[in-house]
Amino acid sequence: DSGVTQTPKHLITATGQRVTLRCSPRSGDLSVYWYQQSLDQGLQFLIQYYNGEERAKGNILERFSAQQFPDLHSELNLSSLELGDSALYFCASSVSTGRDTGELFFGEGSRLTVL
Amino acid sequence: GQQLNQSPQSMFIQEGEDVSMNCTSSSIFNTWLWYKQDPGEGPVLLIALYKAGELTSNGRLTAQFGITRKDSFLNISASIPSDVGIYFCAGTPKGGGADGLTFGKGTHLIIQP
Repeated sequence: DSGVTQTPKHLITATGQRVTLRCSPRSGDLSVYWYQQSLDQGLQFLIQYYNGEERAKGNILERFSAQQFPDLHSELNLSSLELGDSALYFCASSVSTGRDTGELFFGEGSRLTVL
Repeated sequence: GQQLNQSPQSMFIQEGEDVSMNCTSSSIFNTWLWYKQDPGEGPVLLIALYKAGELTSNGRLTAQFGITRKDSFLNISASIPSDVGIYFCAGTPKGGGADGLTFGKGTHLIIQP
């Protein structure tokens, strides 16, 4: 158990819909990262938050947005869903911004299926 | 963003064999890390390397940070069934981690009985 909690574990929805994925980081970790994992693309970095503020942005689509709340939990919002958005979405946390260590603790992921 | 080339893509080995996989980049990395992902789980950190030339072991696992800072390898000795999974290399590029931690595409390790 990494200490990172993600909900829901599985989600099935239709194209055009909007979903929210939730992540609670390990106790004491200030940084939260979101990654997308699909079969042909591996782990793709989406976005990072540190203590409530956006710190780094990767290949995140404009239809996707995220935020980190004062209690440090984070939500990833995916809207106008397309078939190609079907993937595993991982949240990870670390104590620091991640610049120094790269040592991340991953949750078990949320599997999104868009039909 | 930065690209990491990880090889091989997959390995089919017999239990007890040694395993070797590597990761290369065209640019310099400040850190190299190796993660393992079991089926249905998130990646778990195995080994972290922070200095060029560093050689670090974790049980049957050994990893090295290449002297050029553009590559790393992971060796697993005397493989056992629980070694099955996907192994990812990852790194933070020189100049900071503004792009986030970059992952290779993974090496699928399959152990044949």
